[in-house]
Parts: sequence; C-alpha cells; structure tokens
Amino acid sequence: DAGVIQSPRHEVTEMGQEVTLRCKPISGHDYLFWYRQTMMRGLELLIYFNNNVPIDDSGMPEDRFSAKMPNASFSNLKIQPSEPRDSAVYFCASSPGGGAYEKLFFGSGTQLSVL
Amino acid sequence: AQSVTQLGSHVSVSEGALVLLRCNYSSSVPPYLFWYVQYPNQGLQLLLKYTSAATLVKGINGFEAEFKKSETSFHLTKPSAHMSDAAEYFCAVSDPSRGGYNKLIFGAGTRLAVHP
Repeated sequence: DAGVIQSPRHEVTEMGQEVTLRCKPISGHDYLFWYRQTMMRGLELLIYFNNNVPIDDSGMPEDRFSAKMPNASFSNLKIQPSEPRDSAVYFCASSPGGGAYEKLFFGSGTQLSVL
Repeated sequence: AQSVTQLGSHVSVSEGALVLLRCNYSSSVPPYLFWYVQYPNQGLQLLLKYTSAATLVKGINGFEAEFKKSETSFHLTKPSAHMSDAAEYFCAVSDPSRGGYNKLIFGAGTRLAVHP
C-alpha cells in the first residue's frame, strides 16, 4: 500500500489567493483527519470524517477554511482567502474502522507558506 | 477537558544511553494514551498505545511506556539509544468527553537528539 498521499508537498502562495490541499487516504480506511502543525500551537485537529461524512469540524479556525470528502478515496482542504497566519504544515491522516484510538496513518504533509 | 504535558522540549542523550521522555496527562475519565514519532519531513508514526489493558506497553523499535494512574504519567523509555532514534516524539491522549475517542490531543512534542 502506498500509504496516505498528500499533494502538493509544498505550496507557496500570496495572501488572498485560494489554496487547495489534497489527500488520498489508505484504501479501506473509514476515517479521515486533517491536522495542522505550527511551532506556536503544535498539532491541532481541524476536522474529521467517518465514511465520507464530516463528524466534527470544531477545530476549523474560521469560515475561510472548508473541507470536503466527495468519495472514499479523496478529500480536500480549501483556504479562501489565504492569510500569512495560515502558514503551517497540514497533515492528512486516515484510520481503519477503529478510528483514531486504533491507529492514525499520517501522510507526509503539505508545507504551506502564505506570503 | 483533557490535556497533555511533555516535560522538556529537547532531550539529548549519548548513543547507548537510556532514553526517557516524559508525558503527563489530565483526564477525568480513563484515557487512551499514545506515543507517536515524527522523523524529519515525514508524517507521524504510531510507536505504541495504552488502551486500559496492561500498564506496561511495548512498542516498535524497542520503545516502551508505562501507564501510572497515580502519577497521571505515561513516560516513554528505551534502554539503549540508537542514532536512528533522533526524531520528535509526541504524546497524545484521546478526548472522549468531546466527541469520542477520535479526537486526539497532542502534546507539544519532545525533540530527541542522539550523539555519538
């Protein structure tokens, strides 16, 4: 298995632009999580899905952030408009039927820089 | 609410020395506890987890952790450090009071350096 695949690996954009981060979870996994990692705040859970349905988006910082999971093999996280404070590493993780308390499989992350 | 405190943002040991990374949690209910490791430019990988079975949990790469309820601790140890252990280590606790066990709360991380 190729693991969780995220694209792009690096994204540099200017303030005000729309940013789309993509994730392909491991086949057969029921859960998908989006995390953000910064020096100041550490690892924060933004949103998670179960069987393509958003379960908890309370970690999404504001309305500029949105996430979708149109099918079991794809999810995206959009930021519109982007701001410099959104600069961070964004991780996607998936998990089999047991959920996060079973095991999270992380992708390699997307390093986002908003200038 | 649950939280995790990792004591020491940086730990440095000699190759072959004992590794001890500290984690304390706060929880009003029995927690699930995890240790994850992050190598440079990679995502996190699960080292081990505690889910209310044996209090001494063995993980991958020779690591183990002991759940001590009286001390609210879940420290990670390895008897003999290897150069390849250099990485950042994260302790995490589940948060059943806030939407179930799927919401992991991560500590700030401890960066482990191993020198010859």
